[in-house]
Amino acid sequence: QVQLQESGPGVVKPSETLSLTCSVSGYSISSGYFWGWIRQSPGKGLEWIATLYHSGSTNYSPSLKSRVTISLDTSRNQFSLEMKSVTAADTGVYYCAREWAGGYSDFWGQGTLVTVSS
Amino acid sequence: EIVLTQSPGTLSLSPGERATLSCRASQSVSSYLAWYKQKPGQAPRLLIYGASSRATGIPPRFSGSGSGTDFTLTISRLEPEDFAVYYCQQYGISPRTFGQGTKVEFK
Repeated sequence: QVQLQESGPGVVKPSETLSLTCSVSGYSISSGYFWGWIRQSPGKGLEWIATLYHSGSTNYSPSLKSRVTISLDTSRNQFSLEMKSVTAADTGVYYCAREWAGGYSDFWGQGTLVTVSS
Repeated sequence: EIVLTQSPGTLSLSPGERATLSCRASQSVSSYLAWYKQKPGQAPRLLIYGASSRATGIPPRFSGSGSGTDFTLTISRLEPEDFAVYYCQQYGISPRTFGQGTKVEFK
């Protein structure tokens, strides 16, 4: 059974960089599938952020592309998200997920709450 | 980007009743539509993909239909664990987008 677990700081100051990691167990991410980040906030609902293929190719939401980087660490079976210049609008629950090529997510992490506040 | 509009916002029903949830896309997404269920404090769970294919482990009381711009999720007989928020998501046109959700609550 594939399991995903997000980790990262619960609080980030405005204008700083948010860094999150997703640890995957039960499947080697270098073997295939797509891996992505999705967030949820009361104001914007569920919002797709970025997706990474096991080969390293990436796809970003146009609205976040200038601030976001998704990357792979196959040696640790993890993938990560960096988001620069955060504001209060970036507050929410961040989920990592396994995605099928078509773009839907079949396995999700439990989510991690990120609050942007000074 | 594609806007998905879900209706109704809230559905008040009793266990054993039939639930019919709607999702309308601002332009055609073919059959590239998924449905998720989310309970408080939990991550969304995939129910349906490809508009009508049930995900692994999803009971047959859940069914999806539609194509193009109009989609429906039907729960034939509500079980207590089905009271939750349901989201549709399109993945036919990038960026993938989600609907705002329909809450199925106890009547």
